[in-house]
Amino acid sequence: DTGVSQNPRHKITKRGQNVTFRCDPISEHNRLYWYRQTLGQGPEFLTYFQNEAQLEKSRLLSDRFSAERPKGSFSTLEIQRTEQGDSAMYLCASTLGNTEAFFGQGTRLTVV
Amino acid sequence: DQQVKQNSPSLSVQEGRISILNCDYTNSMFDYFLWYKKYPAEGPTFLISISSIKDKNEDGRFTVFLNKSAKHLSLHIVPSQPGDSAVYFCAASPPRSNYQLIWGAGTKLIIKP
Repeated sequence: DTGVSQNPRHKITKRGQNVTFRCDPISEHNRLYWYRQTLGQGPEFLTYFQNEAQLEKSRLLSDRFSAERPKGSFSTLEIQRTEQGDSAMYLCASTLGNTEAFFGQGTRLTVV
Repeated sequence: DQQVKQNSPSLSVQEGRISILNCDYTNSMFDYFLWYKKYPAEGPTFLISISSIKDKNEDGRFTVFLNKSAKHLSLHIVPSQPGDSAVYFCAASPPRSNYQLIWGAGTKLIIKP
């Protein structure tokens, strides 16, 4: 296992289109987190899964955003009707319980 | 309202000298603090952490100091090496937060040869 994997690395989309990102966590990690990072800022928490259950969602996660982790392994983050303000780096992290998070390389979304 | 602040956007240090990165926080309930390092086009990488019951944690060239009364922590890197050039993020974990970290904006460290 080489760590947390995110796909795609880069995504350019037109405003109004839907996009979906995938995260494959470290295999034995039961917790998975999505963060969003914009230029010059630290990551902001979006949502958190323990196994397949989505336990926390930030108010940053509007109705256009949905995340799933159907079998408690990989996770997807979908953004519907993208807006230019959605342009950011989307980071996924995983942990085994309350341990330090391991991050993927992120998916950079550009909405034009 | 920024609960975790890194007031220096960038810091330049000569190779071999000590790098000191600072972080301030406002919430006295934070009980766990972490430093992450981030290279361009990569995700953050965990560096070192400290629990609020300690005031110092050391790992090789990296030492984190926590001053709870001042709500301040610092990361010391000594000696600084060119490979240390990166953006350093301070993050805090509220109690019972299930690791929903609150992050500072980062400090870009540049190590000059």
